[in-house]
Amino acid sequence: SQQGEEDPQALSIQEGENATMNCSYKTSINNLQWYRQNSGRGLVHLILIRSNEREKHSGRLRVTLDTSKKSSSLLITASRAADTASYFCATDDSQETSGSRLTFGEGTQLTVNP
Amino acid sequence: SAVISQKPSRDICQRGTSLTIQCQVDSQVTMMFWYRQQPGQSLTLIATANQGSEATYESGFVIDKFPISRPNLTFSTLTVSNMSPEDSSIYLCSVDTGSRETQYFGPGTRLLVL
Repeated sequence: SQQGEEDPQALSIQEGENATMNCSYKTSINNLQWYRQNSGRGLVHLILIRSNEREKHSGRLRVTLDTSKKSSSLLITASRAADTASYFCATDDSQETSGSRLTFGEGTQLTVNP
Repeated sequence: SAVISQKPSRDICQRGTSLTIQCQVDSQVTMMFWYRQQPGQSLTLIATANQGSEATYESGFVIDKFPISRPNLTFSTLTVSNMSPEDSSIYLCSVDTGSRETQYFGPGTRLLVL
């Protein structure tokens, strides 16, 4: 079963606006990751935030993590038409000593209109 | 990082037949994963494939339906057996390079079963 729930399911904005996507999860995690998928193709890793971190930045991306609420948000600033894609959060709750096991959220379809 | 290729990129198959999907990585990795993404949905982990051992299947997936091979540290195959239209999905492989963090995904195999 899916651990992560994302909202909104779909988001449509104008170029230059900011886009915020939220993810909630149910169990304790090692880290939370955000991935992007263009048109049903392979996933591209965007950013990882560890369970002991609260905020992380990478270029136009800002991720927050609130482990007390079991939630995370992804903010894309100054969006571009090329940001149009599906965005997934994924949690690593593996108990293994090596390697990760990811559980994906339902995803948010972002459309950025020129 | 890792560069991953999958073959075939897409296929249309008749029900009752089987399809073997190949996943090739440009470096040696310990853990490889197979995911299924049904139309319009998120990714679901099918199994984890470690070299030299039997694959570990997630709940709802069985070896008879999705046999997996992992003959070496750079290659794996997933077979979708006795296919039905419900097996129409994108199948993705991914690898964990050992950092216990980022997973790198292949471009996926689009399967349509008629």
